Amino acid sequence: GAVVSQHPSWVICKSGTSVKIECRSLDFQATTMFWYRQFPKQSLMLMATSNEGSKATYEQGVEKDKFLINHASLTLSTLTVTSAHPEDSSFYICSARTRVTRSDTQYFGPGTRLTVL
Amino acid sequence: QKEVEQDPGPLSVPEGAIVSLNCTYSNSAFQYFMWYRQYSRKGPELLMYTYSSGNKEDGRFTAQVDKSSKYISLFIRDSQPSDSATYLCAMIKAAGNKLTFGGGTRVLVKP
Repeated sequence: GAVVSQHPSWVICKSGTSVKIECRSLDFQATTMFWYRQFPKQSLMLMATSNEGSKATYEQGVEKDKFLINHASLTLSTLTVTSAHPEDSSFYICSARTRVTRSDTQYFGPGTRLTVL
Repeated sequence: QKEVEQDPGPLSVPEGAIVSLNCTYSNSAFQYFMWYRQYSRKGPELLMYTYSSGNKEDGRFTAQVDKSSKYISLFIRDSQPSDSATYLCAMIKAAGNKLTFGGGTRVLVKP
């Protein structure tokens, strides 16, 4: 149980185009979804947190107009990288939180590798 | 100073050895502790989740939490080459808060 999927697993696009990444919790309802970015040999950097039906909360330094997050349902969140540029090339990982007894457990998707040419 | 410190490694051990990983943290407000395993170009996979001080065992994995010393550990017994990955510690201050990650330790188990 507690499976999170992401689509696509990798994408190559031209500079200036927009790319949408989907994140789904397959067998549970996620109270909250998170989007992370990871550079090679570095830890995960939280970009934003979203709750179903409400606006995402972005971390300091993350451009909300560039990284659009839509959390349409308890099982689906999307990240759209608008007008992508080579510096946006990275590994993007989503995570979904479910509630276990008194505490929260967070499960991660397999990641999406974005390469902007 | 980072809130959570983790040696980046790499940590190289022979197959069958015990892998010992640890993290230290500075804020006593952290209450929930997790260990994730991440293979190259994959998302992190939750290995262990602990709340209280003490030991928790699951198969070959043992997680230890010492809140008085602000120190957590993960031990992997009978290590296998398939255990070669980056191991991330993570913690949260209260239910509903954001995860704070360590930088990750790269582990290499040699056959």
